[in-house]
Amino acid sequence: DAGVIQSPRHEVTEMGQEVTLRCKPISGHNSLFWYRQTMMRGLELLIYFNNNVPIDDSGMPEDRFSAKMPNASFSTLKIQPSEPRDSAVYFCASTLDRLNTEAFFGQGTRLTVV
Amino acid sequence: AQTVTQSQPEMSVQEAETVTLSCTYDTSESNYYLFWYKQPPSRQMILVIRQEAYKQQNATENRFSVNFQKAAKSFSLKISDSQLGDTAMYFCALDDYKLSFGAGTTVTVRA
Repeated sequence: DAGVIQSPRHEVTEMGQEVTLRCKPISGHNSLFWYRQTMMRGLELLIYFNNNVPIDDSGMPEDRFSAKMPNASFSTLKIQPSEPRDSAVYFCASTLDRLNTEAFFGQGTRLTVV
Repeated sequence: AQTVTQSQPEMSVQEAETVTLSCTYDTSESNYYLFWYKQPPSRQMILVIRQEAYKQQNATENRFSVNFQKAAKSFSLKISDSQLGDTAMYFCALDDYKLSFGAGTTVTVRA
């Protein structure tokens, strides 16, 4: 398997624009996580899915953020409208199951909102 | 409130020496697992070591070992015989059905 695949690797957008980040988890993995990494706050859990169902979205900063997982092989994180403070590296990770399994991370998307 | 707390933003260690990274966590679950991940400058997240909460014996992986104090909810990582390739950010993680990470500790190994 190619691992967790995220796209794009880098995204530069203007404030107010819609941004969509994409993630393909490892085939057969049942859980998917979205994280945001910044110098100030470290690695924050935004939302996670189990069997394509959102389980906990309490980490989503505000209504401008939304995430979907329409099937087992694809998830999106959307920011609309984007703001400069959204600039960060966004990671997607997947695990085989919900407990005690290694999390496999994608390479991350570096988002810059100008 | 932070679920996982790493109180040391940065640590520096001489090559071949030992460094210990601290981590405390909070959970109401009786069944949970703890991990340390390493993130080198490449941004790739790499699993270093894992600990089952129900096991009293501390986990060890080569030069990496943990000190798990369940009652204190403490989970520190010791890197022995530090190597230049250990330079990275290290994250403590708690898996209580919700995989949460600490803010990270940047470790720099000096030649």
